[in-house]
Amino acid sequence: DIQMTQSPSTLSPSVGDRVTITCRASQSISSWLAWYQQRPGKAPKLLIYKASSLESGVPSRFSGSGSGTEFTLTISSLQPDDFATYYCQQYSSYSPLTFGGGTKVEIK
Amino acid sequence: QVQLQESGPGLVKPSETLSLTCTVSGGSIRDYYWTWIRQPPGKGLEWIGYIYYSGNSNYNPSLKSRVTISVDTSKNQFSLKVSSATAADTAVYYCARHSAYSQGAFDYWGQGTLVTVSS
Repeated sequence: DIQMTQSPSTLSPSVGDRVTITCRASQSISSWLAWYQQRPGKAPKLLIYKASSLESGVPSRFSGSGSGTEFTLTISSLQPDDFATYYCQQYSSYSPLTFGGGTKVEIK
Repeated sequence: QVQLQESGPGLVKPSETLSLTCTVSGGSIRDYYWTWIRQPPGKGLEWIGYIYYSGNSNYNPSLKSRVTISVDTSKNQFSLKVSSATAADTAVYYCARHSAYSQGAFDYWGQGTLVTVSS
């Protein structure tokens, strides 16, 4: 299995802050990486696919970068709606598809 | 607008089979790959497996011996069965659609349904 490791596990920024979340893969996954946002009690929502492509309808303050084994999700200016848990997911290998452990962005 | 809705029992007894159905509306099930994902309470996401309308499927090796995913194109539905359920299968189960732009990502999700395995 390709292991996905996210850091940090928890963040406590303020509204307006620039936020960066890191995801590392246990082996190269090229750019086959997605990012999701999950609010409490809700299904995950796709934000970014293929490492840096913004899903339709997602605000431009979200951006993704990286390739190979190291990736980042950046929120340029944190909004109140952005307090949630974020997951990365690799799809280089389907045996199996795997997610990171999540990064919770909580209110300071 | 595509919508997915999970349905099935919320309580399953240990050793029995957990069965869920996902109904797709707003589009044809023939056009995409479809997947099941689960999330134990307070924990992260685990991919279970996917299916295509042709019946082509792929499962997480950790669950493969107990999981069957099937599709019913006439009803625009796909289903999940997990046999020999244990407490470790207690989770919110999501169905999702594989993205048209990048097939391994999931662009539409159901709201999720909590299944508890308990006697």
